Formats: sequence, C-alpha cells, structure tokens
Amino acid sequence: AQKITQTQPGMFVQEKEAVTLDCTYDTSDQSYGLFWYKQPSSGEMIFLIYQGSYDEQNATEGRYSLNFQKARKSANLVISASQLGDSAMYFCAMGGGYNKLIFGAGTRLAVHP
Amino acid sequence: DAMVIQNPRYQVTQFGKPVTLSCSQTLNHNVMYWYQQKSSQAPKLLFHYYDKDFNNEADTPDNFQSRRPNTSFCFLDIRSPGLGDAAMYLCATSSSQRTRRGTDTQYFGPGTRLTVL
Repeated sequence: AQKITQTQPGMFVQEKEAVTLDCTYDTSDQSYGLFWYKQPSSGEMIFLIYQGSYDEQNATEGRYSLNFQKARKSANLVISASQLGDSAMYFCAMGGGYNKLIFGAGTRLAVHP
Repeated sequence: DAMVIQNPRYQVTQFGKPVTLSCSQTLNHNVMYWYQQKSSQAPKLLFHYYDKDFNNEADTPDNFQSRRPNTSFCFLDIRSPGLGDAAMYLCATSSSQRTRRGTDTQYFGPGTRLTVL
C-alpha cells in the first residue's frame, strides 16, 4: 500500500530564513510522482512543486526546492527566504494508481517576523 | 487565466436539505475530482471522473453523488446532509491518461465550505 508520512505537525521559522518540511513515502510502484501543496487559511490548495520518480535532478520552482532522496524514500520541501505569506498548511502527496493523490497529514508552518 | 472555479465559496444548508456544489474548469482537463476535507485533516477523495466514466471510492457514503454533464462542469450532490458532512469540499482537475503513472498534477479550485445547521 502507498503511504505518505509527514512527521512535523507544526514548524516555525524566522522571516528570511530557510525551512525544511519533511516527507517520507512508501510505494512499490516504479513510476510515481511526488507533489507539494500549500493550503492557506482561505482553504485553496495551491500546487507548489512536482518531482517524478525518474527525475535525476531535484525539482526547483522559485523559492521552493524539493530534496529528493529516492533510496531513503524522502521528498523534503525546502523554502528559502521565508516570507510572512508562507504561513500555511503544507501537504506532501504522492500520485498513486490512476493518478489518485495520497496525502500526508500536513505540516502547519508559521513564519515569524 | 485558465482555472478551476467553485461556486459558491460558502454554503449553508439545513440538516437533511439537499444541496448541490458546482465546479467548472477552463483547463480542458479530462479528469475531475471531488475531495472532502474536514478541519485539520488531509483531503479525502470522494470520487472522480475520467472523461464521462464515474469512479466512486469504496468508502464514499451513498449520500454523496456526482454529475458531469460536460467536460467543463462537475457537480457534487449531497442528498441528505448530516452534521458530519460539514467540511470543505475541493474540486480538482488533471490531464491524465488511464495508466498507473501517478505523475499528473492536480489543480484545485478554491473550495466550498459547507455548514450544516
């Protein structure tokens, strides 16, 4: 069975500093995708970044990067130069069979000025 | 801009009174999904449409139904809402092939927050 684990219920970071949100996964599939979504208090799920299981390079999107370690089955999100607007819930997800998303429990990030 | 739109953003209904939530998309994606998200939890997939083919999750209550009259629109019908159905309902879309690749990004709408009185 496929599973996503986010072990940090809450994290805080000082504005302008970097923060890493942890995500580990379990799957027997050879081909899969890993996704990070941001959910502010408004409720919308905002797609941040994607990593394919066959991608050799770590994905980057602006201030977001994904530290993908396939052998350890981890896909940590790194946010550089944190901003107050980064305060939100962050979900790690894996694309499962027929493109169903399996979500982790989420990490609530608070950015302090 | 291409997007996923949900209406209304907030819906209040009475216990047992049928309610319909709507979702539309301008992305021309072939797959549409409905998720239920309760407070402080991850989204839970209720069902999805691959084109016109309806796929129900095994644990989705019969109280929840869906319609997709065309590519752009999808509706979530709750026949007799209970207090436990109060939640955020998220619609998502993706452009996907019928494979197990699991590599296609899902794009979400802003959600409809349902309150049941």
